[in-house]
This record gives sequence, structure tokens and C-alpha cells, in this order.
Amino acid sequence: QLQLQESGPGLVKPSETLSLTCTVSGASISSTSYYWGWIRQPPGKGLEWIGSLYSSGSTYYNPSLKSRVTISVDTSKNQISLTLNSVTAADTAVYYCARRYAHTFDIWGQGTMVTVSS
Amino acid sequence: AIRMTQSPSSFSASTGDRVTITCRASQGISSYLAWYQQKPGKAPNLLISAASTLQSGVPSRFSGSGSGTDFSLTINYLQSEDFATYYCQQYYGYPWTFGQGTKVEIK
Repeated sequence: QLQLQESGPGLVKPSETLSLTCTVSGASISSTSYYWGWIRQPPGKGLEWIGSLYSSGSTYYNPSLKSRVTISVDTSKNQISLTLNSVTAADTAVYYCARRYAHTFDIWGQGTMVTVSS
Repeated sequence: AIRMTQSPSSFSASTGDRVTITCRASQGISSYLAWYQQKPGKAPNLLISAASTLQSGVPSRFSGSGSGTDFSLTINYLQSEDFATYYCQQYYGYPWTFGQGTKVEIK
């Protein structure tokens, strides 16, 4: 059974870099032809798509974040990573990784809360 | 970006009610629309894709309809476990965007 688990620091200082990892279990990223995505949700607010990555490494980013975000894959660790530079309080959110299937997100991690504060 | 607008933002209903949530796209998106359910503290759960295709394991009391710019999610005979927030999402074009959510509360 495919499972996703996000991990990373829960607190990041303003202007610094947010780095999160999504560990995929139950299937090998390199042997599957899926896209993987990151979605975030500020406290009490709605969902925002951050970007998606194909298992080959090709990526698609939300233009609103494109200048600051990088999504990458480490097939040796079966992980997908998210890096967001120059964070501000507006980046405080629960960050989810998810599997994209037929353009929708059918399997999600539990999410990890990241607070941007000094 | 395509803007998705849901209505209402929230409402109260009783167990057994039939409820409908609407989602309007700022431009035509064919049937490239999904619906998710989210409960407090949990990740969203995919209910419907392609506007009306029920995901495996989702109760048949959920149904979706629409195409173009206007869509709806209907829950027949609302159950206690259906009280949650519902989001629509378009995947017609990048960036993929979500509606602001509709919270279904217990009356």
C-alpha cells in the first residue's frame, strides 16, 4: 500500500530556506510513472498547489512561487524534496505531498506544519 | 490563473439532508474538475474526478455533475461522517487551482 510521509523542520526563520522531504513507501518512485506534488494550506485557509514532479525529474511550478521553489527527486532514497527560498510569514502552512494520478491527487501524506517566525 | 469560486462558503445541515455545493470556474474547464473532502487535522481525500467519476471506496451518496464553468457536488442523505470541508480543484490548466472551500456543519 502506497504511503507518503512528510518531514522537515517545523520552524523556519524569515528570509531563510524551507526544506521538506516526502518519503514514499510501498512503491519505488523510479519504477512508477506517476507525478508527485506538493500542496500547502495556511492555517484556517484553503489549498494551494505548489508544484509537481514526474518520476523522470521534469517539474511544473505554480508561477506565484516559481522563483523561490524547487522540487526534486532522490530515487536512491525514494524521496521527493521541496525547497522554498526567502520565506516569509505568508509561507506558514501545512505542507502536503501527494501522488498525482490522472491529474488529481489521490494519495496524500499526513502533512507537516511549518511556521515561519523569528 | 483559473479562479474557482465555491458557494456557499459554509452552511448548516442535518443528518439525512440532501445538500449541494457549487463550484464555478472563471473560464471553461471542460470536465477537468475534482472534488475533495477534508476533515479537521487531516489531509484532503479525493472523492470525485472528471467532474462526475466517483473514486473507489467513496459512498454512492456522493455525486458530481457539470461541465464548462459550472459544477456541483451533491450528497444524498447526509451522514455524520460527511460533516467536513469540501474543495473543488481544476486541472484544465496550470497552475492547478482550488476553490476556497465549503464547510458543511451540523445544524
